Amino acid sequence: DQQVKQNSPSLSVQEGRISILNCDYTNSMFDYFLWYKKYPAEGPTFLISISSIKDKNEDGRFTVFLNKSAKHLSLHIVPSQPGDSAVYFCAASEGDYKLSFGAGTTVTVRA
Amino acid sequence: NAGVTQTPKFQVLKTGQSMTLQCAQDMNHNSMYWYRQDPGMGLRLIYYSASEGTTDKGEVPNGYNVSRLNKREFSLRLESAAPSQTSVYFCASSGGRGPSPLHFGNGTRLTVT
Repeated sequence: DQQVKQNSPSLSVQEGRISILNCDYTNSMFDYFLWYKKYPAEGPTFLISISSIKDKNEDGRFTVFLNKSAKHLSLHIVPSQPGDSAVYFCAASEGDYKLSFGAGTTVTVRA
Repeated sequence: NAGVTQTPKFQVLKTGQSMTLQCAQDMNHNSMYWYRQDPGMGLRLIYYSASEGTTDKGEVPNGYNVSRLNKREFSLRLESAAPSQTSVYFCASSGGRGPSPLHFGNGTRLTVT
């Protein structure tokens, strides 16, 4: 049973607009959350993380929001660029070494 | 700056054959992991090694064995391959004590016929 769920398999957005990716989790013990980006034929690369003591973390064009009461995580990309076209994975851990991943959302940025 | 290196990149096996997937990292990380990626399933943890000399089962360990050969190397062995093990396998490492971002290799695409 997947503890981390990304319910939107795909997202298409126009260049320059905002991309919003969503992630829900069921395990209330999760206290560390990450987003990874993956291009075809490459491994996932770390994008941004947030711990459960925060509700927002920003890094350039990327912002992650955490709503613990709703067990919901989102990633905002502003503005979206063609190089952002990739698969994005949400992941979470209970403070140990093991990450649980969502199924991924494929983002396509249209020119 | 190699990071995490996996070999081979591609492999085709027949049912019942065995093979070992190799992984090495040059970042002096303590922890190493093996994940598999299947369509619609995301990445699932097979085994991990929190530090040299220790290994533990992840979410989907059946049919696999691992060896943490030294701090740099962590191998994954399929003793008797099955079609259900057709997948893309990723090795990863992390440097922190406890949760920290994982650094992934570029994967091994394995097909079992």
